[in-house]
Amino acid sequence: DTAVSQTPKYLVTQMGNDKSIKCEQNLGHDTMYWYKQDSKKFLKIMFSYNNKELIINETVPNRFSPKSPDKAHLNLHINSLELGDSAVYFCASSPSDREPRETQYFGPGTRLLVL
Amino acid sequence: SQQGEEDPQALSIQEGENATMNCSYKTSINNLQWYRQNSGRGLVHLILIRSNEREKHSGRLRVTLDTSKKSSSLLITASRAADTASYFCATDVGNTDKLIFGTGTRLQVFP
Repeated sequence: DTAVSQTPKYLVTQMGNDKSIKCEQNLGHDTMYWYKQDSKKFLKIMFSYNNKELIINETVPNRFSPKSPDKAHLNLHINSLELGDSAVYFCASSPSDREPRETQYFGPGTRLLVL
Repeated sequence: SQQGEEDPQALSIQEGENATMNCSYKTSINNLQWYRQNSGRGLVHLILIRSNEREKHSGRLRVTLDTSKKSSSLLITASRAADTASYFCATDVGNTDKLIFGTGTRLQVFP
């Protein structure tokens, strides 16, 4: 009964490849996020979707494209992977229609290593 | 730029001792949250304090907020080895759902 799940947990791939990370939440939340955590543990938001609509799009290379087929899913597709994309990617969700709506629930993370 | 800076970067204590972590931020906020991250895991929400609150408690956690100094502190009392983790503060940005995370404090509690 995992609240926010991500697949895969580990992803090792070659530079130049295209890969996708999937995220699902069963909390009934309207808002979902993607974060990137670098090797220094610095956590930065990348995207946010509310009810399948993009609401936050930080300065992220357009090689990164989020897709939300429904409000329970937010996938992240990365084209032409670069060495600097190596990081841990976290998905999160939050309720927008009930308190405490600011609290975010995180997935376990996907550890991406680009060789 | 990074919204929150945390101090200290790392903290090592013995079980039973108290641990205090500090967070400073740069702009006005509606609320400030603290999250815990165990090694290799996702972040877990601990506590939220709103801008009109000065202190909040949850179990062994005590959070203070000083909006005039743009700072917050997290106190963990009677620490346990299981408290070993990284702790992050996070502040909201305007009326969005966007959170800006601090740099984190790595806490090590020795049994």
